[in-house]
Amino acid sequence: EAGVTQSPTHLIKTRGQQATLRCSPISGHTSVYWYQQALGLGLQFLLWYDEGEERNRGNFPPRFSGRQFPNYSSELNVNALELEDSALYLCASTLRGHRAYSNQPQHFGDGTRLSIL
Amino acid sequence: GDSVTQMEGPVTLSEEAFLTINCTYTATGYPSLFWYVQYPGEGLQLLLKATKADDKGSNKGFEATYRKETTSFHLEKGSVQVSDSAVYFCAYSSASKIIFGSGTRLSIRP
Repeated sequence: EAGVTQSPTHLIKTRGQQATLRCSPISGHTSVYWYQQALGLGLQFLLWYDEGEERNRGNFPPRFSGRQFPNYSSELNVNALELEDSALYLCASTLRGHRAYSNQPQHFGDGTRLSIL
Repeated sequence: GDSVTQMEGPVTLSEEAFLTINCTYTATGYPSLFWYVQYPGEGLQLLLKATKADDKGSNKGFEATYRKETTSFHLEKGSVQVSDSAVYFCAYSSASKIIFGSGTRLSIRP
């Protein structure tokens, strides 16, 4: 079974540019989560998509946005990049059950390292 | 609000030492609890989980017990190895959110 895949592995941008990060969940998983992991810090929750809809959003400005496609893959878009956006962006997917949703572990990709110059 | 608090690192131990990484949470309802591990240059991997009070999760010699009375999920291992060097994250998940602790970096000396 293929795991969660993220692309690109590394992305270098300059301030003010826009970045697009991509994530393909494990086959059969319908929920996709995005996290930001800045150097030396823990995971900060960004966005959660399920069945094509945004279900929850972390405490990030609107220039962080995304979408989920009919095949459940997802994009994270970051507009007007700032230096502090430099981080590892992790995507995770889960199998969406019914009432057992909360006990599903998250399966993570290896991340996209975004560097802002 | 809901939160997860875990032991600050870094933690440095000698090989074969006993490990405890503390994790406590505040939450409404009955969340599921997880420990994830992140090896250098990789994403997070599930280490173990517990879905209800008094459950014990275990994997690769690591154990953690879901203690509702103390709202804790401490990670333990009886004898650590160099290969256990990584960052460990405690997390809880409910129907509407998942919250991670800030991570604890563990380094094991040969």
